[in-house]
Amino acid sequence: SQQGEEDPQALSIQEGENATMNCSYKTSINNLQWYRQNSGRGLVHLILIRSNEREKHSGRLRVTLDTSKKSSSLLITASRAADTASYFCATGSNYGQNFVFGPGTRLSVLP
Amino acid sequence: NAGVTQTPKFQVLKTGQSMTLQCAQDMNHEYMSWYRQDPGMGLRLIHYSVGAGITDQGEVPNGYNVSRSTTEDFPLRLLSAAPSQTSVYFCASSSLAGAYNEQFFGPGTRLTVL
Repeated sequence: SQQGEEDPQALSIQEGENATMNCSYKTSINNLQWYRQNSGRGLVHLILIRSNEREKHSGRLRVTLDTSKKSSSLLITASRAADTASYFCATGSNYGQNFVFGPGTRLSVLP
Repeated sequence: NAGVTQTPKFQVLKTGQSMTLQCAQDMNHEYMSWYRQDPGMGLRLIHYSVGAGITDQGEVPNGYNVSRSTTEDFPLRLLSAAPSQTSVYFCASSSLAGAYNEQFFGPGTRLTVL
């Protein structure tokens, strides 16, 4: 069974707007990571947040983690057309055995 | 520094054929893994390795074999290809304790089994 589930499945916004994606998971984790995948490409790591952290920033990205609700959110501020991609959350617990990806959110940023 | 490389990029097989997907990394990472990605789904872990000579099964290991004779290489073998194995395959690597660090992904191999 999949550990992470992103919401929404698809999101379409205008350039300059903020995009928020959510991720829910089921079991205890050590960390949660967000990845981006451009069409036809491999995944690129965006940000990692550990279970003892509540918020993390990287450039235009802001990630929050609520372990009591088993959920995380990824906020992309001032979106650009180049942000158009699929975004995946992945949770890590044991040594790679439970490193599980969700089905992803497809983000479209319209110029 | 090439990162993670995968060959081939595309492959078409007939049912019952066998083949090996190649994966190599030049970052001296201990942890390597194979995923498959199907439409509308996230990546599912097939096999992983925490170092040369050590491999273990992931979520969907059936029909696949792996070995890790060197730190750099982690080939994935399809023993007898089936249409259900049509997918995009990604290899990834990271420093030890892969669940604790970012994974670096290869560009993927798109496999079609007829």
